[in-house]
Amino acid sequence: DIQMTQSPSTLSASVGDRVTITCRASQSISDWLAWYQQKPGKPPKLLIYKASTLESGVPSRFSGSGSGTEFTLTINSLQPDDFATYYCHQYDTYYRTFGQGTKVEIQ
Amino acid sequence: EVQLVESGGGLVQPGGSLRLSCSASGLTLGGFEMNWVRQAPGKGLEWVSYISSSGSTIYYADSVRGRFTISRDNAQNLLYLQMNSLRAEDTAVYYCVRLRMYSGLPFDDFWGQGTLVTVSS
Repeated sequence: DIQMTQSPSTLSASVGDRVTITCRASQSISDWLAWYQQKPGKPPKLLIYKASTLESGVPSRFSGSGSGTEFTLTINSLQPDDFATYYCHQYDTYYRTFGQGTKVEIQ
Repeated sequence: EVQLVESGGGLVQPGGSLRLSCSASGLTLGGFEMNWVRQAPGKGLEWVSYISSSGSTIYYADSVRGRFTISRDNAQNLLYLQMNSLRAEDTAVYYCVRLRMYSGLPFDDFWGQGTLVTVSS
């Protein structure tokens, strides 16, 4: 299985900050990577797919980049609604795997 | 409005069985490949199983292969997950997830609200 490693596990930030989350794959997945946001008691919400394509309706302060084994999710000017847990997810194979999650907390 | 609604979760003893269902409104399930993904309490996301739009291709995670069976009834707009020989480590919220095709590969784009399965004596 392809292992996905996210860092950091927890991130403390303030409203208005720029935050970056990193995701590394154990082997190349080209750009078959998605990012999700999850809030407590809710299902994950798709933010980005194909590493950098913003899902319709997602604010433009979210952006993704990377290919191969290294990927990043950037949130520019963090908003109160952005405090949540974020997961990366590879779909290079049907045997999907997820990163362990990054919790973005209020500093 | 597109909705995926899971049902069938609950409390079951170790070794027992449950069948989860996922019903769709606002979309025709038969047009989509689907996944089941689970999340143990306070933990991350784990892919469980995949089924093609016709039901002819199926995959399972190693952790559930031989115990879980995914199926679908496109005429009824339903997706199923039959879970047998349940273990404590199967305790989780189970989500049905729609796959969307883009640029050659399908990705998980829309999730149901989930149904909680608790395996405990």
